[in-house]
Order: sequence, then structure tokens, then C-alpha cells
Amino acid sequence: GESVGLHLPTLSVQEGDNSIINCAYSNSASDYFIWYKQESGKGPQFIIDIRSNMDKRQGQRVTVLLNKTVKHLSLQIAATQPGDSAVYFCAEFKGRGSTLGRLYFGRGTQLTVWP
Amino acid sequence: GAGVSQSPSNKVTEKGKDVELRCDPISGHTALYWYRQSLGQGLEFLIYFQGNSAPDKSGLPSDRFSAERTGGSVSTLTIQRTQQEDSAVYLCASSRDRVYEQYFGPGTRLTVT
Repeated sequence: GESVGLHLPTLSVQEGDNSIINCAYSNSASDYFIWYKQESGKGPQFIIDIRSNMDKRQGQRVTVLLNKTVKHLSLQIAATQPGDSAVYFCAEFKGRGSTLGRLYFGRGTQLTVWP
Repeated sequence: GAGVSQSPSNKVTEKGKDVELRCDPISGHTALYWYRQSLGQGLEFLIYFQGNSAPDKSGLPSDRFSAERTGGSVSTLTIQRTQQEDSAVYLCASSRDRVYEQYFGPGTRLTVT
């Protein structure tokens, strides 16, 4: 079956340090992998995506790495800030191109940033 | 611009009653998704609408759940004969060209007593 899971349910880091959030997936047929951030009491917010034919993609303070050999996805946050405290979900997208399909979410990792 | 809105924000209902949850997507977004999130859990896909295509209802947990989208915009999720296990936050999301980039509403917290 399909599953998108996470190695660690919680992660605590000190402000200013880099954070790495990991995710394992089991289905190699996904077209895109995506990271979402969910702050307490809010809906998830799109952070960054990576297409399945890429290994790395960088955004503002975030980098996503995709290792298809071991079916592993990671989100790196540089210089973590208190505002980064949230639950982070990885998700797989499967569909036809990018305009038709659905997301499969993992359980999430709670990131806590302490001063 | 305005984001995705959902109403009500909170709903408490008695077991066995029907409830309707509303979602107003971002204007111009053709895709609309419903998810359910139980406490401390991930997002469980329920249903999605894309343009004029038939909706993908594969995630609806039982025939007590149904959803419609009128005029390609507002959507209503209906739960009939609610059960305590239906208690959760129901999230709606919409998207446009890249449907994996979804914009979520704040959710409706449903409590069935």
C-alpha cells in the first residue's frame, strides 16, 4: 500500500540552529513531494515542493532533498526561528501532471524552537 | 486577497444529528479538497472536486458522508447521523494550476457529544 511516514514525531532545536526533518515514503510512483507547515489552530501552509526527477531544491531558508534510492525526503531549515515552531507534514502527490490528482499526507513532525 | 474560508469555525452536535460544513475557496481556484484531521494525527483525504470532472469520493469513510460543490465554487460537506468518531477538524483546501500547492482554510472543529 501507500504510506508517507516520518522518522521522528518531535524535534527540538535551539534558535539559530539548522533543523532537519525527515520523511520516508514507500511509493516510487509519486510525481511530486511536498512539505507543509501547520501552526497551532491553523490549516496547513505550503512550503516547498520537489519534482520526483530532482534531487534538491532550495527556497528561502529551506532546502528539500529527495533520495529516491532509499525513498527518503528531508526538509532542512536554516537558522531556525521561533516562528518556525509548527508541525511539518510531508506529502506525496500522485496524479496526471500537476493539474489533476491528490495528496497523501504523513503524520507530521512537531518542531519546537527554544531560545 | 481573501483566503479559503470555512464555517462554522466550531460545531457541537448531538450524536445522530446531521451537520453541514461550508467551504468558500479562493476565487478562481478550480480544485477543492476536503480533509479530516483528528487530534495529533495527519490529514485524512475525504473528497476532491476538479472543475467539471466527477468528484473523487474515494476517501469518504461511509455513506453518511457526502459533499457537493455548487457552481464550481462553494462546497458543503454533509455528515448524516453523526457519530462520536466523526469528531475532528474538517479542513478544506483549494488550488489552481498546481493542485499539489493547496491553500487551506482554518478548519471546522466538529464535536459530537
